[in-house]
Amino acid sequence: GAVVSQHPSRVICKSGTSVKIECRSLDFQATTMFWYRQFPKQSLMLMATSNEGSKATYEQGVEKDKFLINHASLTLSTLTVTSAHPEDSSFYICSARGGPNTEAFFGQGTRLTVV
Amino acid sequence: AQTVTQSQPEMSVQEAETVTLSCTYDTSESNYYLFWYKQPPSRQMILVIRQEAYKQQNATENRFSVNFQKAAKSFSLKISDSQLGDTAMYFCAFKRGSGAGSYQLTFGKGTKLSVIP
Repeated sequence: GAVVSQHPSRVICKSGTSVKIECRSLDFQATTMFWYRQFPKQSLMLMATSNEGSKATYEQGVEKDKFLINHASLTLSTLTVTSAHPEDSSFYICSARGGPNTEAFFGQGTRLTVV
Repeated sequence: AQTVTQSQPEMSVQEAETVTLSCTYDTSESNYYLFWYKQPPSRQMILVIRQEAYKQQNATENRFSVNFQKAAKSFSLKISDSQLGDTAMYFCAFKRGSGAGSYQLTFGKGTKLSVIP
């Protein structure tokens, strides 16, 4: 199957700093990418949907100024957590899809710890 | 809005036995897709099986099969000959077939399956 690569897999940052997470589709063009947050022992919560070349659509309750999403190319989307705080510590997962009725492929996830 | 309900937070099964995970959903759509995803301890989401709502035949992938009851809005996953590597969280997911939001997956809360040696 198609591969979605997410980096870094783990990151520790200091409170108040920003951290960028990358999501790349390695062997297909991802017209749409998704960013999820997963709390321990819970399901995936959709944060935002991004289409290449346009602004991301954020889910209700997700601060767009805090979680900056850029989808500048058909193979790369980035999530930047700005001014991170300990409550932003979580597992973040990206997913990419080539079209509406194609399979969604997931990255390996990023465990963010803010200290 | 669509909702997906997994009523079994945790389940266990003896190795080589069969287990069924339950999932119900609520939608007014007629065209949609249903999925089961597996998330092992590595936390990589892996597609297990997919079902198109317009297909009456239940999907099957090797040891994994579904019981899709459209009228009852039920989509259970049966794992036969359970293996230790099946130990994981299993998420049921729904996707609209067309229109707004048709790119998005709606996930249930998950069922933690433990396969016991």
